[in-house]
Amino acid sequence: DTEVTQTPKHLVMGMTNKKSLKCEQHMGHRAMYWYKQKAKKPPELMFVYSYEKLSINESVPSRFSPECPNSSLLNLHLHALQPEDSALYLCASSQANLAGGPYNSPLHFGNGTRLTVT
Amino acid sequence: AQKITQTQPGMFVQEKEAVTLDCTYDTSDQSYGLFWYKQPSSGEMIFLIYQGSYDEQNATEGRYSLNFQKARKSANLVISASQLGDSAMYFCAMRPNSGGSNYKLTFGKGTLLTVNP
Repeated sequence: DTEVTQTPKHLVMGMTNKKSLKCEQHMGHRAMYWYKQKAKKPPELMFVYSYEKLSINESVPSRFSPECPNSSLLNLHLHALQPEDSALYLCASSQANLAGGPYNSPLHFGNGTRLTVT
Repeated sequence: AQKITQTQPGMFVQEKEAVTLDCTYDTSDQSYGLFWYKQPSSGEMIFLIYQGSYDEQNATEGRYSLNFQKARKSANLVISASQLGDSAMYFCAMRPNSGGSNYKLTFGKGTLLTVNP
């Protein structure tokens, strides 16, 4: 079983809807990440939170809005999405943070949310 | 900037045989880490193995081993005694050990491994 839990597993939404993706980890990790993955492509980094502060935004459109309410939770709020935003959205956490270590700390990923925008 | 190259879009292997998945990288960082992940069709990214740039020994984790050749900037994954459950997409990834905004995991394009019975 994965130690990073994402809900929902599947989400279908219209372009005018507002929805949220949720991610939870209880490993005491201080860095949390959102990735977007299109079919047969590698994951693309969207956001990084380090110690509950947004540290990296990879020029993501404002229709994606991240939120980190506490050290265990990470949300991704979705509004006015486009069909091309349909993808697998992966959450991850790690001990490693933007302070630079521990170096051998991998990212632990959740199972992802498969999002379809109609 | 870091770059990861996986030149094999797809690989086939017979069950119980060994297979090598290639990964080369390019970086100007002196200290960095290399990671391999497995992604089954279900979607979860599973961490397999880590190699630090200053580690003198090649990393091993069960049936997984990493053939690390620093001078050639390659970090190939070797899977011994392949099993049907090894069929998945495999990603090589790298992260510099310096902190700040560059402290990101960069993925290669992946190799789709199919294990035949």
